[in-house]
Amino acid sequence: GQQLNQSPQSMFIQEGEDVSMNCTSSSIFNTWLWYKQDPGEGPVLLIALYKAGELTSNGRLTAQFGITRKDSFLNISASIPSDVGIYFCAGFQGGSEKLVFGKGMKLTVNP
Amino acid sequence: KAGVTQTPRYLIKTRGQQVTLSCSPISGHRSVSWYQQTPGQGLQFLFEYFSETQRNKGNFPGRFSGRQFSNSRSEMNVSTLELGDSALYLCASSSAPSSYNSPLHFGNGTRLTVT
Repeated sequence: GQQLNQSPQSMFIQEGEDVSMNCTSSSIFNTWLWYKQDPGEGPVLLIALYKAGELTSNGRLTAQFGITRKDSFLNISASIPSDVGIYFCAGFQGGSEKLVFGKGMKLTVNP
Repeated sequence: KAGVTQTPRYLIKTRGQQVTLSCSPISGHRSVSWYQQTPGQGLQFLFEYFSETQRNKGNFPGRFSGRQFSNSRSEMNVSTLELGDSALYLCASSSAPSSYNSPLHFGNGTRLTVT
C-alpha cells in the first residue's frame, strides 16, 4: 500500500539542539499529521496540517505542509530529554479516508 | 475523561489459534480504527468502524476481522494465527464518522506474540 517516506530513521542529539525531520510521498496528500510515540504507549497527535503551505507551531514544535502537498517537515527546537521517542508522520492521500503512516524516526536526546 | 482502553495488554498465542482483542473508545466517540504496528512495516491500517458499520478496510487477509457494538466498543479477531501476526495492535477512536474529520486518539495497544 501507499507509504510515506520518512527521514532520517533515527537521530542522536544533545540536549538543547534543534532537530528536523521530513516526510515525502509520490502522491498528493490532503492532510498531514505528526504523532509521537513513547515506549509502551500509543501515538499521540502533536500537530495537524490541513492546507498546502500551512505552518503551525505547538510550543517548541513547528510543522509545515509542503506547497506541492507531497511533503511535510517537523522541527523541534531546544530539545529536552522528554522529547525522546518515535515521531511519525501520517496523512490522508487525496480521495482516501485511510490514514497512512511513515515508518517513524527514533529520537534520542543525550542530557 | 478516560482515554482509549485496550485489553489485554499482552497476549501469547500459538500458531493456528485464534485471538480476540478488545477496545473501549473515549466516552462519546463513535468511530474506532485498528492498526497493526510491526518494526518492519510500521503502522498499517486494518479497519475503521462507525455506528457498528465498517467504513473502511485495509489490505489484510480475511483472517483479520472486526466488529463494533452499540456502545461503540470494538473487538478485532484474528483466526488461524501465523508467526507474522506478532505485532502491537493499536486501537484509536475519534468523534467524527471518519478519522479524516477529527483527530485519532490511540490506546496503548495489545502486544500479541505468536509462537
